[in-house]
Amino acid sequence: QVQLQESGPGLVKPSETLSLTCAVSNYSISNAYYWGWIRQPPGKGLEWIATLYHTGRTYYNPSLKSRGTISIDTSKNQFSLKLSSVTAADTAIYYCARIGQGLVEGHFDYWGQGTLVTVSS
Amino acid sequence: EIVLTQSPGTLSLSAGERVTLSCRASQSVSSSYLAWYQQKPGQAPRLLIYGASNRATGIPDRFSGSGSGTDFTLSISRLEPEDFAVYYCQQYGSSPPTFGGGTKAEIK
Repeated sequence: QVQLQESGPGLVKPSETLSLTCAVSNYSISNAYYWGWIRQPPGKGLEWIATLYHTGRTYYNPSLKSRGTISIDTSKNQFSLKLSSVTAADTAIYYCARIGQGLVEGHFDYWGQGTLVTVSS
Repeated sequence: EIVLTQSPGTLSLSAGERVTLSCRASQSVSSSYLAWYQQKPGQAPRLLIYGASNRATGIPDRFSGSGSGTDFTLSISRLEPEDFAVYYCQQYGSSPPTFGGGTKAEIK
């Protein structure tokens, strides 16, 4: 079964850059699936952040206003998210996930457990 | 972007009841690219339904999805105690993919 695990700092200061990594187990991220990040502010709904493919092709939610960068490291079987110029509005649980059926934009069939990132000084 | 509206916001139910949750899109969802997820406190969402009506691997057949265009439903034929959770719909037929605000199924 595909497993994903997020890691990164739980606290980031305003205006700094949030950096998270998603390690994938039991499946090679170089295979024919897309991978993505989703976030959920505490007590609120879900928001898609970004998607990438092992070739390096990337897709971003326009709501990020170009603050996001998603990248892949096939040698470590992991992918990463950087979000710059963070504010309190970026406080959320961040999930990494696999996108099903090989679609660029699809349903998310495997999820990490999520990691809470708080933006505060 | 497509806005998904889920109703009702909260449902108070008893185990054994049949329940229908609604997800309405602000514009037509192409190819019925709509999914449903279940989320319990402190857990990641779990995929239940994709393509509007296809059950994900390991999902019990008491869960079923239907609909097309702008109106979709998730039905649970007979609520089990473990089904009390928040349910989200997601469309992926149009960029960016978006989620509904969720419906909470709580114990009456």
